[in-house]
Amino acid sequence: AQSVAQPEDQVNVAEGNPLTVKCTYSVSGNPYLFWYVQYPNRGLQFLLKYITGDNLVKGSYGFEAEFNKSQTSFHLKKPSALVSDSALYFCAVTLKENFNKFYFGSGTKLNVKP
Amino acid sequence: EPEVTQTPSHQVTQMGQEVILRCVPISNHLYFYWYRQILGQKVEFLVSFYNNEISEKSEIFDDQFSVERPDGSNFTLKIRSTKLEDSAMYFCAAAGRGSPTDTQYFGPGTRLTVL
Repeated sequence: AQSVAQPEDQVNVAEGNPLTVKCTYSVSGNPYLFWYVQYPNRGLQFLLKYITGDNLVKGSYGFEAEFNKSQTSFHLKKPSALVSDSALYFCAVTLKENFNKFYFGSGTKLNVKP
Repeated sequence: EPEVTQTPSHQVTQMGQEVILRCVPISNHLYFYWYRQILGQKVEFLVSFYNNEISEKSEIFDDQFSVERPDGSNFTLKIRSTKLEDSAMYFCAAAGRGSPTDTQYFGPGTRLTVL
């Protein structure tokens, strides 16, 4: 069975500091990986995705993520956090063999304090 | 960013009643999806839909659920006889060509409360 794990329910970081939101996955097949962000009362907004190629993917709002096949991870990072980055972040995986179905992690709440 | 809209934003219903959740996908997108998120839990795939047919469905999507695109624009999820455990946030998503390079764009969700 396919699954995504976000081991931290919450991440706290001070504004200006680097942030990391962790994601690991377990799939049988070739993974395509995504990060979405959810602000209160809003839908999931696409941040970035890894399909193939360079393991370091850059996305919206200065976020980036690194695909690590050996560690089956796709951690989200940002060099300098903003208070406005505070939101709920979801990692998701789909398969090259069946890309119609997304599997989501449980979400990580990012709190950026001024 | 392209926008998917959903109505209503919040639906309250009595157990056993039928509900219809509506989604207006992005106009040139061809692939549509429903997901749900029970409070405090992860987002779960329900169903994908293409060319007026279900492409894939999860084990959650039983006979109580149905989807259709009645008029070529709205995409609906119907729950025939709601149960308490159907209370959740329901998200619609749309993608252009259904290829792995596509992004799924999500609507803001409908919060369904079954009493």
